[in-house]
Amino acid sequence: DAGITQSPRHKVTETGTPVTLRCHQTENHRYMYWYRQDPGHGLRLIHYSYGVKDTDKGEVSDGYSVSRSKTEDFLLTLESATSSQTSVYFCAISEPSYEQYFGPGTRLTVT
Amino acid sequence: AQSVAQPEDQVNVAEGNPLTVKCTYSVSGNPYLFWYVQYPNRGLQFLLKYITGDNLVKGSYGFEAEFNKSQTSFHLKKPSALVSDSALYFCAVRDLRNSGNTPLVFGKGTRLSVIA
Repeated sequence: DAGITQSPRHKVTETGTPVTLRCHQTENHRYMYWYRQDPGHGLRLIHYSYGVKDTDKGEVSDGYSVSRSKTEDFLLTLESATSSQTSVYFCAISEPSYEQYFGPGTRLTVT
Repeated sequence: AQSVAQPEDQVNVAEGNPLTVKCTYSVSGNPYLFWYVQYPNRGLQFLLKYITGDNLVKGSYGFEAEFNKSQTSFHLKKPSALVSDSALYFCAVRDLRNSGNTPLVFGKGTRLSVIA
């Protein structure tokens, strides 16, 4: 999976609790992305980063925040988890204008 | 805005037969097109891409894709399907304006089932 790890790989949490997912890369790629995958919706972009401390919103950013304090790590935080955020979350990396490479995913269940 | 459509949720094909997974796109500028494959409980794997040049692009595992600008299509093809090709396939596009520094936009995916 192209030097990308995600942690945790599985998580069950309760509604209203904060959750942080971590993406770590060893490729030194400039761009990092968070997507969620849901049946019937494909992959939808949550947030992305184009450099340390440089981030932008995607199409489904409400309820999510991100941080990137160093090149290799990109954190996704659900500030107060809801059942609608039950999903599989994928991190991806790329160099500008090149293809994206994906991590193995995190399966999050909000009960 | 850029978008991708995969008109078929499911494609079934017999092993040994040719397969086609369809994709159409919409961008304001010139497109940068991709195909990815996802096996169960795995992340997406890059198969092939089109930037410019020859309209027929060859990729991993014997797959190829044909870019058709007039039909705004980028269909994925393989001459002879294998049972192991059964997976979920995603088409994606990036607009090449702004040096292409925008995230990929993905289609909703097409599930391919190859029947022995």
